[in-house]
Amino acid sequence: KQEVTQIPAALSVPEGENLVLNCSFTDSAIYNLQWFRQDPGKGLTSLLLIQSSQREQTSGRLNASLDKSSGRSTLYIAASQPGDSATYLCAVRRTGNQFYFGTGTSLTVIP
Amino acid sequence: ETGVTQTPRHLVMGMTNKKSLKCEQHLGHNAMYWYKQSAKKPLELMFVYSLEERVENNSVPSRFSPECPNSSHLFLHLHTLQPEDSALYLCASSQGAGEMTYEQYFGPGTRLTVT
Repeated sequence: KQEVTQIPAALSVPEGENLVLNCSFTDSAIYNLQWFRQDPGKGLTSLLLIQSSQREQTSGRLNASLDKSSGRSTLYIAASQPGDSATYLCAVRRTGNQFYFGTGTSLTVIP
Repeated sequence: ETGVTQTPRHLVMGMTNKKSLKCEQHLGHNAMYWYKQSAKKPLELMFVYSLEERVENNSVPSRFSPECPNSSHLFLHLHTLQPEDSALYLCASSQGAGEMTYEQYFGPGTRLTVT
């Protein structure tokens, strides 16, 4: 069974800092990996999707990388802002329609 | 709004009640999903519908019964629930299923409390 781990569970940084969130998965046979953010009590907002054949994706201040062989993905956030405060989740998709989520990293950006 | 809506947003029900959660997607997708999110636990995939056919059922108790009448609507019928079923229930949709599945888009969720 696929297990997805996100470290750290919580992170607090001052505004303007660059930061990296980590996601690791135990089975490298994945179709894609998706990063989401979730605000308290709300649904998930898709940030970036990386297909298994890709190494990275970028959107604005966000950059996600994927190393399938080592079972790792990172989400890099440049010049963090208070509005970036949220829980960040990664999810991997295996064969069929199985999706596996991590428990998330709770990010607080201090003004 | 993400293009995926869910109603109701909050629901309190007794263990003997019957209720339904509704999800509607306005994105023209052909796959829809139900997830359960409990505190301190990863999201759990419950059901997947592709082209209105159920393709995944992850050992979900029979007190949860999904229905997908068309590609835009998804329901989760609830009956005889237990307190441990209290959670945030999230609906999602995507284009494609099987090997070529693109981004999942989520609704805001229904916060369910079973008393």
